[in-house]
Amino acid sequence: AQSVTQLGSHVSVSEGALVLLRCNYSSSVPPYLFWYVQYPNQGLQLLLKYTSAATLVKGINGFEAEFKKSETSFHLTKPSAHMSDAAEYFCAVSEKGSYIPTFGRGTSLIVHP
Amino acid sequence: DVKVTQSSRYLVKRTGEKVFLECVQDMDHENMFWYRQDPGLGLRLIYFSYDVKMKEKGDIPEGYSVSREKKERFSLILESASTNQTSMYLCASSPGQDSNQPQHFGDGTRLSIL
Repeated sequence: AQSVTQLGSHVSVSEGALVLLRCNYSSSVPPYLFWYVQYPNQGLQLLLKYTSAATLVKGINGFEAEFKKSETSFHLTKPSAHMSDAAEYFCAVSEKGSYIPTFGRGTSLIVHP
Repeated sequence: DVKVTQSSRYLVKRTGEKVFLECVQDMDHENMFWYRQDPGLGLRLIYFSYDVKMKEKGDIPEGYSVSREKKERFSLILESASTNQTSMYLCASSPGQDSNQPQHFGDGTRLSIL
């Protein structure tokens, strides 16, 4: 069965610093990969997705993620954190042929002024 | 714009009550899902449906049932609510059988069982 690991349940950065949120998956066949963001008291919304086109994917709000097959990783980055980026971030993976994703446990991003 | 609407943002019920959580989507999506979200555990799939009147168990179906009588509506039912079902419940939908399509989520229902 597919598994998704998000390293670090909490990541703390200063405003203006680089954001790096890690995601590793277990599939031997490159799957479809997604990052979602959840702001307080809201549902999840899509940040970006990888569907086997370019390995560097750009999303909303200045976020991007790079698919690295050799490392089975799909880490999320943003060059400069903003206070409004404070939220919970989820990585999700769908195997080809399945429309039911597997979610990681989430990483809470804390941004300090 | 795509919209998934959950009928209640906050709900307080008592142990033993039958509880209904409603979810409606306006995107004509085939698939609908119910998750519960608990701190440190992420999202756990309770039930999903890929068509009207069709339902499949997810990872944690015990104590829950679902109903999908119309394509746009997916209901989650707690047959006899218990305190360990206090949680955030999220509904989601997605189109067709394409695994490259993201899910669309409602804003969640925070359910407290007293």
